[in-house]
Amino acid sequence: DGGITQSPKYLFRKEGQNVTLSCEQNLNHDAMYWYRQDPGQGLRLIYYSQIVNDFQKGDIAEGYSVSREKKESFPLTVTSAQKNPTAFYLCASSMGGRADTQYFGPGTRLTVL
Amino acid sequence: AQKITQTQPGMFVQEKEAVTLDCTYDTSDPSYGLFWYKQPSSGEMIFLIYQGSYDQQNATEGRYSLNFQKARKSANLVISASQLGDSAMYFCAMREGQSWGKLQFGAGTQVVVTP
Repeated sequence: DGGITQSPKYLFRKEGQNVTLSCEQNLNHDAMYWYRQDPGQGLRLIYYSQIVNDFQKGDIAEGYSVSREKKESFPLTVTSAQKNPTAFYLCASSMGGRADTQYFGPGTRLTVL
Repeated sequence: AQKITQTQPGMFVQEKEAVTLDCTYDTSDPSYGLFWYKQPSSGEMIFLIYQGSYDQQNATEGRYSLNFQKARKSANLVISASQLGDSAMYFCAMREGQSWGKLQFGAGTQVVVTP
């Protein structure tokens, strides 16, 4: 089945530790995105990538890093520099075109203790 | 400044009734796209419907339709014949023409469908 997978669904880390969230898609989409969602709020864009080996900062990139070495994969690292990392993280992908609709993975809920 | 405004934090609707979710947007770009997503309690964002700024007709997808009023910068979602499974958060989002791929989301509206 084609889709976007994110793992793990729940992640717990101690304060000060870096953590990497996985995002894989088999939709053959060129573009991939990372969003953060806090309780009761909409999504905010962290990073996005239109093509392999290229990515751009979104609205809240500070304290995060990404890589795009393969078309299928767009991992997000939450670094110790991120002041308030506890949140729900959603990965999305799109194939471009007129609508350029983004399709989302199931999300990872990160809790920093 | 807030680009997408959803003024209804929550609403109840009876099964089989229609419900309208409000969304207003702010942009000076003549080319933009408007999207609606559904987020059930599981957390996944499910794409519902898309409306382009140059589209002449209102978008429809099954029980979902978009009431697009360009002059008022309004893009309300109408769900007809509500079902219990429609209970979820609903988000309006916009992509401005020159911001390839970047979506800006509203705060969402929680819909609860009652029997």
